[in-house]
Amino acid sequence: EDQVTQSPEALRLQEGESSSLNCSYTVSGLRGLFWYRQDPGKGPEFLFTLYSAGEEKEKERLKATLTKKESFLHITAPKPEDSATYLCAVQAYQGGGADGLTFGKGTHLIIQP
Amino acid sequence: DVKVTQSSRYLVKRTGEKVFLECVQDMDHENMFWYRQDPGLGLRLIYFSYDVKMKEKGDIPEGYSVSREKKERFSLILESASTNQTSMYLCASSYRLAGSYNEQFFGPGTRLTVL
Repeated sequence: EDQVTQSPEALRLQEGESSSLNCSYTVSGLRGLFWYRQDPGKGPEFLFTLYSAGEEKEKERLKATLTKKESFLHITAPKPEDSATYLCAVQAYQGGGADGLTFGKGTHLIIQP
Repeated sequence: DVKVTQSSRYLVKRTGEKVFLECVQDMDHENMFWYRQDPGLGLRLIYFSYDVKMKEKGDIPEGYSVSREKKERFSLILESASTNQTSMYLCASSYRLAGSYNEQFFGPGTRLTVL
């Protein structure tokens, strides 16, 4: 069974204080690891997909990295508008067709001015 | 831009009612998904479809059914709503690309309350 564990559950930072969110996973065969951002009362918004260990992707103040067992979402000099819940999800190879995502429970990030 | 729309943002129903949640996407995606999201449990897959009239069970299909008569539309049906189906329901869609990742795009969600 595929599993995704995110830590910490919640994180409060001061504006400009960099940090990292962790996503540990176990999956039979990784097709892709996804990061989403979710604002209260809204659907998840796609951020990144990572395919293989060693891969990195960046977008503004966010950088996602991937190893064989975990992924990190690094937030550099965050601003209050970065406050949201960040979700990690994995997609496994299941022989074709449409494969649903297995999500972690998310990290609730608050950036204080 | 990909757009996934859901028929209602908020819905209140009574126990035992039949409930229809509708989802429409405008990007000609082959795959469509229904998830529910609950505090402390995260998002869980209910059903998905990779083609018209095709459906596959996800992790928690009990108490739900789905219908996909047109490529752009995917409906979630609660045959007899119960209070434990009170939740946020999220629809998503993606391309079906063999040998590649399939990033999913989500709708805004329907918050369903069953009294």
